[in-house]
Order: sequence, then C-alpha cells, then structure tokens
Amino acid sequence: ELKVEQNPLFLSMQEGKNYTIYCNYSTTSDRLYWYRQDPGKSLESLFVLLSNGAVKQEGRLMASLDTKARLSTLHITAAVHDLSATYFCAVDTRPKSVFNKFYFGSGTKLNVKP
Amino acid sequence: NAGVTQTPKFQVLKTGQSMTLQCAQDMNHEYMSWYRQDPGMGLRLIHYSVGAGITDQGEVPNGYNVSRSTTEDFPLRLLSAAPSQTSVYFCASSYKSGQRSYEQYFGPGTRLTVT
Repeated sequence: ELKVEQNPLFLSMQEGKNYTIYCNYSTTSDRLYWYRQDPGKSLESLFVLLSNGAVKQEGRLMASLDTKARLSTLHITAAVHDLSATYFCAVDTRPKSVFNKFYFGSGTKLNVKP
Repeated sequence: NAGVTQTPKFQVLKTGQSMTLQCAQDMNHEYMSWYRQDPGMGLRLIHYSVGAGITDQGEVPNGYNVSRSTTEDFPLRLLSAAPSQTSVYFCASSYKSGQRSYEQYFGPGTRLTVT
C-alpha cells in the first residue's frame, strides 16, 4: 500500500516569510496533486504535477515533483494571511487492476500570522 | 455547471440505523469516488467507480455499500451505522483517460455523527 507523508503537520509563520512543505511517498508514482482546504470547506485543487521535474507556480505558491526521490515540495513565498489553510498532497498509483487509486497525506495546517 | 453536489450536509444517526449519502455530478465524468476525512488525517478512499455499473473497493470499504446505475449519481450506503463512522464524507469525480483518472473535483462534504 502506498504511504504518503507530509511534514510539517503544523506550520505557524509570520507574514512575509518563506517556507516549504514536503510530501514524501513510499512507492513509484509519476503523478502528484496538491489541494487546499479551508476550515469546514471542501478541497480545492491547486496543482497537478504529471512528470518528473514538473514545476508549477500560482501566485505565492510553487510546487515541484522529483519522482526519483519520491518527493514533492510546496514552496510559499512571502506568505500572507490569506494563505492560512490546510494543504494536502495526494499521489495516485499506477493501475494494477481496474483503475488507479488516490492516497492522501495527513495535511499540513498552515497559520500565517499578521 | 453545479459541479459535484452532496446531500445532506449534516446528519445525525443512532447506532444501527442505515442511510444513504447522495452524490451527483453534471460534468459527465466517468470516475467517481467516496472518501472519509477524520480529524488529523488525510482523506481515505472508501469506494470508487470507473463508470456506470463498475465499482471497486478502496482502503476502508467495510460497513459501506455503493452502486452506480448512471454516470451522474454515486450514492454511498451505510448499512448499520456505528460510532466509528462519525466523519466527514466527500464525494469526488474526475474524467479518465485509458486506465487513469486525473485531478479530482470534490463535493462540499457531508458531516455525519453517529451516536
């Protein structure tokens, strides 16, 4: 079974600072997804990374994927309070039977303090 | 498009009761799935479907049944509710290409409490 580990699980940072969230996974996969969840809300798709070396950026967030290291990072640049949320990474498996399955990390709860 | 819709938003059940969580999507997506989210944990896959009439088990299928008679609907049935099924349930859909699905679109969730 594929395992997905995120760290840190909790992150409190000041506005204007930079930080990185890490997502490690245990078996071979070439696709990784990042989602954002606000309290009491559903999940919103942020990035879809579909190959080794993929890098995507949206505003103050940048995600990258290293399939050889089985690692994805979500980098936050000059954080603002609006980025406060829980961030999840998810990995899907290569299909062996009917279809590929998605496995989620436990999430990183980010609190950006003014 | 409404996207992925779920009903009800909140539900309280007594142990042993049964109920059905509804999920519908209007994006003509072939792939649909159900997840549960417990505090401090990510989402765990309960069941999924790759098309009408085709379903399969995820990580935590025990105590739940699904069926998919149409592309649009994917209900989740709790056969005999237990306190361990207290959770937030999310339905998701995505399009597929070959054997793989792509990014998933999530519904708003159903918060279920079993007493």
